[in-house]
Amino acid sequence: GQQVMQIPQYQHVQEGEDFTTYCNSSTTLSNIQWYKQRPGGHPVFLIQLVKSGEVKKQKRLTFQFGEAKKNSSLHITATQTTDVGTYFCAGHRGSQGNLIFGKGTKLSVKP
Amino acid sequence: DTGVSQDPRHKITKRGQNVTFRCDPISEHNRLYWYRQTLGQGPEFLTYFQNEAQLEKSRLLSDRFSAERPKGSFSTLEIQRTEQGDSAMYLCASSRDRFIHEKLFFGSGTQLSVL
Repeated sequence: GQQVMQIPQYQHVQEGEDFTTYCNSSTTLSNIQWYKQRPGGHPVFLIQLVKSGEVKKQKRLTFQFGEAKKNSSLHITATQTTDVGTYFCAGHRGSQGNLIFGKGTKLSVKP
Repeated sequence: DTGVSQDPRHKITKRGQNVTFRCDPISEHNRLYWYRQTLGQGPEFLTYFQNEAQLEKSRLLSDRFSAERPKGSFSTLEIQRTEQGDSAMYLCASSRDRFIHEKLFFGSGTQLSVL
């Protein structure tokens, strides 16, 4: 089974509110990747974090990788209706090729 | 990039039948992955190829599932004696292999329904 946990499972926000999803692994990860899946679509890569404590920003999106490389977060500032979708974190353990996905956080934005 | 292509987009089959799906990765991508996704869940890893070599296979994958990538280009995933629990979206992804961990490019998937 999957060993990467994500919370919350669902998040409903008013347009303009902030949104955060959290990702936790039971084991140390060598990296964290974040993907977005729009309704009816397929996962699309957003970003990869590799270093302990790393923080990266993409416009309104801020991604963090924990110091212990076991957790990560995605924060969206001032959500827009275009942010609607399910956000997945995923990580590799060591040099293994299989990318382990969390169950995702489904974001809905009310205009 | 022409994108990852999967065929068919939808497959409806009766329990006990065999099905085969095809995936054409982005050209020059040496790595190819198969994932399965059910409603409300994240993609679940099935197997992974580096060129034509199948390097990893999920322990969750039963003997009814087999995947091939004979020439290191396209790949096929076969499910024998399908069961209702096999109903899911089967996603293929590909990536470069310049680094140990690369970003994945997913195809649109094959939606399998087992009646």
